[in-house]
Amino acid sequence: DQQVKQNSPSLSVQEGRISILNCDYTNSMFDYFLWYKKYPAEGPTFLISISSIKDKNEDGRFTVFLNKSAKHLSLHIVPSQPGDSAVYFCAVISSNTGKLIFGQGTTLQVKP
Amino acid sequence: GAVVSQHPSWVICKSGTSVKIECRSLDFQATTMFWYRQFPKQSLMLMATSNEGSKATYEQGVEKDKFLINHASLTLSTLTVTSAHPEDSSFYICSARADRPPQADTEAFFGQGTRLTVV
Repeated sequence: DQQVKQNSPSLSVQEGRISILNCDYTNSMFDYFLWYKKYPAEGPTFLISISSIKDKNEDGRFTVFLNKSAKHLSLHIVPSQPGDSAVYFCAVISSNTGKLIFGQGTTLQVKP
Repeated sequence: GAVVSQHPSWVICKSGTSVKIECRSLDFQATTMFWYRQFPKQSLMLMATSNEGSKATYEQGVEKDKFLINHASLTLSTLTVTSAHPEDSSFYICSARADRPPQADTEAFFGQGTRLTVV
């Protein structure tokens, strides 16, 4: 049973526009949420995170929004750049278990 | 950000042999390390969680006798794939997290990954 879901396997946007990546989770016990960027044959790179006591966290072009009632988080990238093209994984941590659980990933392509 | 070094980055081994993969946190003490396996075009699947000085906790379906994890120090965890078979060929990734003050940090940092090919 998938506890973390990224329902869109791919997303294509034009350079300069906004990229919105979505993630849904099932367990209300998750209390920390992260986004990672990954290139093929490399380990993921941490992008941005948010704790369950917040609903927004911003870092440069990246903003993460958390809607606890909907068990939904999203990553906004604006403006999108061709170098942002990669696979983006959302991940969650449960303070109960300490496990870091990933979604399936969304492949973002930013076209010049 | 913090640096996690994983070695080797790729390895080819013969069926039946064992392979050890190392994961080191270079500039922080990693009280918790995670080992993941990624199949082509799929997500990172958590294999096990290891805490320094204690036995690893394996996820359901992961054979603990096949995938031996040792987390003997705060900066090193190893994954040994024993009696490797072609179906063990995959991309293995470790991540490390500091849970204790003064470096208490929830973000986990990842190694570069190891491409294992069993022939």
